[in-house]
Amino acid sequence: GAVVSQHPSWVICKSGTSVKIECRSLDFQATTMFWYRQFPKQSLMLMATSNEGSKATYEQGVEKDKFLINHASLTLSTLTVTSAHPEDSSFYICSAREPGQGPQLAFFGQGTRLTVV
Amino acid sequence: DAKTTQPPSMDCAEGRAANLPCNHSTISGNEYVYWYRQIHSQGPQYIIHGLKNNETNEMASLIITEDRKSSTLILPHATLRDTAVYYCIVGSQGGYQKVTFGTGTKLQVIP
Repeated sequence: GAVVSQHPSWVICKSGTSVKIECRSLDFQATTMFWYRQFPKQSLMLMATSNEGSKATYEQGVEKDKFLINHASLTLSTLTVTSAHPEDSSFYICSAREPGQGPQLAFFGQGTRLTVV
Repeated sequence: DAKTTQPPSMDCAEGRAANLPCNHSTISGNEYVYWYRQIHSQGPQYIIHGLKNNETNEMASLIITEDRKSSTLILPHATLRDTAVYYCIVGSQGGYQKVTFGTGTKLQVIP
């Protein structure tokens, strides 16, 4: 199946700094990618839809100025957590799927564990 | 997208079959039932999907009731590596899927 890869797998940053997480589609072009956040012992919550060449669409309650999404190419979307605070510590996951890629709903990255200290 | 309901947790003895139920009473005619699982600190992994017929692959079997309002994922011989959160999701094929996750079932396989 198609492969979606995230980098880094984990990151620790100081409070107030910004952190960038990359999501790449390795063997297909993804015009749309999705970003999820998952707090401990909770389910995945959709944060935003990343669209290549246009602005991302954010879910209700997600601060677009804090979670900057850039989908500059057909194989790369980035999520930047700006001015990170300890409450932003979470597991961030991206997914992608293009029409005609077969029956799976989506292909998911392995996730990025962000810890803000 | 249709909403799904799953039990929050289940235990299963190693080597035995694990049967994970899911209710999706509001599923529409063109929506499939998908199962994904998430092992701790990893991204979701696809398991199986079906529309109305029962399905089997190398990982699991999926039994869908005739009215399609519920389904059961069967892991025939559970191993410790099957300990994970299992998500039942309904959705349509094609297009760009904004996948909505429910709370899932935490399956604990016990030695």
